[in-house]
Amino acid sequence: AQRVTQPEKLLSVFKGAPVELKCNYSYSGSPELFWYVQYSRQRLQLLLRHISRESIKGFTADLNKGETSFHLKKPFAQEEDSAMYYCALSTSYDKVIFGPGTSLSVIP
Amino acid sequence: KAGVTQTPRYLIKTRGQQVTLSCSPISGHRSVSWYQQTPGQGLQFLFEYFSETQRNKGNFPGRFSGRQFSNSRSEMNVSTLELGDSALYLCASSTDGRGNNEQFFGPGTRLTVL
Repeated sequence: AQRVTQPEKLLSVFKGAPVELKCNYSYSGSPELFWYVQYSRQRLQLLLRHISRESIKGFTADLNKGETSFHLKKPFAQEEDSAMYYCALSTSYDKVIFGPGTSLSVIP
Repeated sequence: KAGVTQTPRYLIKTRGQQVTLSCSPISGHRSVSWYQQTPGQGLQFLFEYFSETQRNKGNFPGRFSGRQFSNSRSEMNVSTLELGDSALYLCASSTDGRGNNEQFFGPGTRLTVL
C-alpha cells in the first residue's frame, strides 16, 4: 500500500539552528515526491519537488530510495519558516497521498 | 492569473442532508483533485478529474461523488451527511494531471454537519 509517514507532529527549533523534517514513504514503483507548506492563514502551496532538485527558501530535500526517505532540510532556520509542512507522494497522474504533516515552530 | 476558487467557503448542514461544493480551477488547468482535511486524518485524497473523466478515486464511500464540466470546473457532492463528514474540503488544480505537476490549492470549503 502507498503510504507517507512523518514521525514528528511538532518540531521546535531556535532561529539559526539547522532543521530537518523527516518523511518516509512506502511505494513499490518509482515515486514522485513533494513537500507542501501551509503558512498561517494561507493556502497549501508547493515548496519543492524531488524531480526539480532545487533549493527553495533555503530548503532542500534528497530522495533516498534505499531508505525510502525524502527528508526536508535547512541549515539555518528563520522565524518565517514556522508553518505546517506536508510530505506528499504521487503515484499516478494526480493521485497524491499526503503525510500527516509536521508543525514547525522557529523560536526567536 | 486568478487562483483556484471554491464556493461556498462555509457551510452548515444537518445529518441526512446532502451538499454540493464547487471548485473553479486556474484557467488552462484541466485536472482537478479533491481532498478532505480533518485534524485526526489529515489530508485524504477523494478523487481526481481530468477532461470530465474521473481517473483516480480514494477510499471514500459512494456517498462522495463528483463531476467535472467541459470548462474544467468541478463539483463534489456528499449525500446523506454524517457527523464525521465535518471537515475542510480542498480542491486543487494542475495543468495536465501528470504526477509530477504542481498542484494549486483553493482556500477550501469548511463543512460543519450538526
